[in-house]
Amino acid sequence: GPKVLQIPSHQIIDMGQMVTLNCDPVSNHLYFYWYKQILGQQMEFLVNFYNGKVMEKSKLFKDQFSVERPDGSYFTLKIQPTALEDSAVYFCASSPDWGGAGEQYFGPGTRLTVL
Amino acid sequence: QQQVRQSPQSLTVWEGETAILNCSYEDSTFDYFPWYWQFPRESPALLIAIRPVSNKKEDGRFTIFFNKREKKLSLHITDSQPGDSATYFCAATQVVGQLTFGRGTRLQVYA
Repeated sequence: GPKVLQIPSHQIIDMGQMVTLNCDPVSNHLYFYWYKQILGQQMEFLVNFYNGKVMEKSKLFKDQFSVERPDGSYFTLKIQPTALEDSAVYFCASSPDWGGAGEQYFGPGTRLTVL
Repeated sequence: QQQVRQSPQSLTVWEGETAILNCSYEDSTFDYFPWYWQFPRESPALLIAIRPVSNKKEDGRFTIFFNKREKKLSLHITDSQPGDSATYFCAATQVVGQLTFGRGTRLQVYA
């Protein structure tokens, strides 16, 4: 089936540094999402993105977070500067349309460790 | 406050038994409930979903039972197979595009 890829699978950085998480969504999908999962807890919605713009974001999407998809390349989540509480697994998802809210295709996640 | 709760946290059944995974939610405006499953080192994938207009949705060995009044739903896996061993996430959405997830139930099916 359709696959969402995420690069890298693991990332370890020092607190205060910048990190960019990359997502390669399904090729014909138009809507993109980021979710955050702290160990032992549920996945939580961060942000969704369409047509070059953030559509909705949660309270977890701090000012230090930003997303973009320049020229149809990777959909990225940038955190600058990072904090210890940003350590989590970040899942990217994409969907073909807005109506298929449940039909989001997820990537395998990027495990971010902030030291 | 958890909007979507799942129980049990982990479940073990023998091959051929029926596994029952429970989910409850707080917000009555949720109107779409997908279940995702995730195998180790793989992505969560959509398994089956239901809307509140129905109280039952069946797909092969997987059935969702939905009780809107009690804000509860359950996923029944009949004739469980070792290949069904995975973590199952109940999710809900009220705003198109935002999924609210439970913490998951880890299912182990022994042969």
